[in-house]
Amino acid sequence: EDKVVQSPLSLVVHEGDTVTLNCSYEVTNFRSLLWYKQEKKAPTFLFMLTSSGIEKKSGRLSSILDKKELFSILNITATQTGDSAVYLCALDRGGSNYKLTFGKGTLLTVNP
Amino acid sequence: SQTIHQWPATLVQPVGSPLSLECTVEGTSNPNLYWYRQAAGRGLQLLFYSVGIGQISSEVPQNLSASRPQDRQFILSSKKLLLSDSGFYLCAWSGQTKEQFFGPGTRLTVL
Repeated sequence: EDKVVQSPLSLVVHEGDTVTLNCSYEVTNFRSLLWYKQEKKAPTFLFMLTSSGIEKKSGRLSSILDKKELFSILNITATQTGDSAVYLCALDRGGSNYKLTFGKGTLLTVNP
Repeated sequence: SQTIHQWPATLVQPVGSPLSLECTVEGTSNPNLYWYRQAAGRGLQLLFYSVGIGQISSEVPQNLSASRPQDRQFILSSKKLLLSDSGFYLCAWSGQTKEQFFGPGTRLTVL
């Protein structure tokens, strides 16, 4: 079974802090790695990473993939209370069905 | 634009009762469709996926089944619910761009 491990499982910070969330995996042959943010209900898509070393950025969020060391990180700078959520990492092994294997997520709590 | 709907939003059912959860997608054609379950404190577990009408692949053996009677409709069913079927059920779709987009989910409690 494909293994996707996220760390830490939970994290509590204060507004304005910078956080780094980690996602490591054991599969060497895959199509892409995806990050999602889940607040109360549906996960919302953040990033899709396919190439090693190329940073993707959206506002205060950024992510990068290291295919050699088999991990990805998600950075959030100047955190806000609205960043509080579960952040999920998922691996797309490829093929025509686009199945995703998810990690258990990191619960981020940003206190005012 | 594409939208995905799920209903009901919440459901409380007794053990042994049947289940039918529905998911529909608008604004796209021939999507790949997925059913996930998320138990408390756990990640998303893929239950079923479908690449076309009538084509269903099951990922894990369980008490549930899925059907796709129309291109943009995906149904999750059970004949007799178990306590362990409780959880948050999410439907998702994907198209040419490969990332999956999730519906609002159904919170199922089996008592």
